[in-house]
Amino acid sequence: NAGVMQNPRHLVRRRGQEARLRCSPMKGHSHVYWYRQLPEEGLKFMVYLQKENIIDESGMPKERFSAEFPKEGPSILRIQQVVRGDSAAYFCASSIGPSGANVLTFGAGSRLTVL
Amino acid sequence: DQQVKQNSPSLSVQEGRISILNCDYTNSMFDYFLWYKKYPAEGPTFLISISSIKDKNEDGRFTVFLNKSAKHLSLHIVPSQPGDSAVYFCAASEGGGNTPLVFGKGTRLSVIA
Repeated sequence: NAGVMQNPRHLVRRRGQEARLRCSPMKGHSHVYWYRQLPEEGLKFMVYLQKENIIDESGMPKERFSAEFPKEGPSILRIQQVVRGDSAAYFCASSIGPSGANVLTFGAGSRLTVL
Repeated sequence: DQQVKQNSPSLSVQEGRISILNCDYTNSMFDYFLWYKKYPAEGPTFLISISSIKDKNEDGRFTVFLNKSAKHLSLHIVPSQPGDSAVYFCAASEGGGNTPLVFGKGTRLSVIA
């Protein structure tokens, strides 16, 4: 019973390139959340998705960032034209229901470094 | 505007003694609170939770206390063990709906043998 799987674990990109981070939720979980952790900071909510739907993207930067959770396959967080300030750990979490009443299970994270 | 605050970035405790980690919140709509533990290079793992209808929840060595009037919660670890050394995050949500978990910045606990 695999937990939340994220890949890649580490990603290095040069400024202006694209970063794609993937997340496979736990089996049976249809709610996916992306959080970002900057150095010495807590986890900041970015986006909440269910299959084929974005429920809440209030924490997502307006430009360059997008997320999807297709009917088949993992959820993907995409960052276009990366800048140094995008360097962070990106965590995906999943739950069986909305996070207001359910525990989130987190993946190990994807650490993005922008050179 | 931080809705969940953990004012102590770090805490050191002797093995066997009690560790007390504190958390304050500002949003009176929060009614579900959780603590997560995080080791380096790993994701946060769920530790214990409490809903606003309770003021205490206990699970083994871990107890969470909630004081709604003060908008304050605390995590007690007794007795503390070296393996408890990690970063502890307090999180809160409005409960029941689609609102996301809001996290504090974390407290780094070091348990010294």
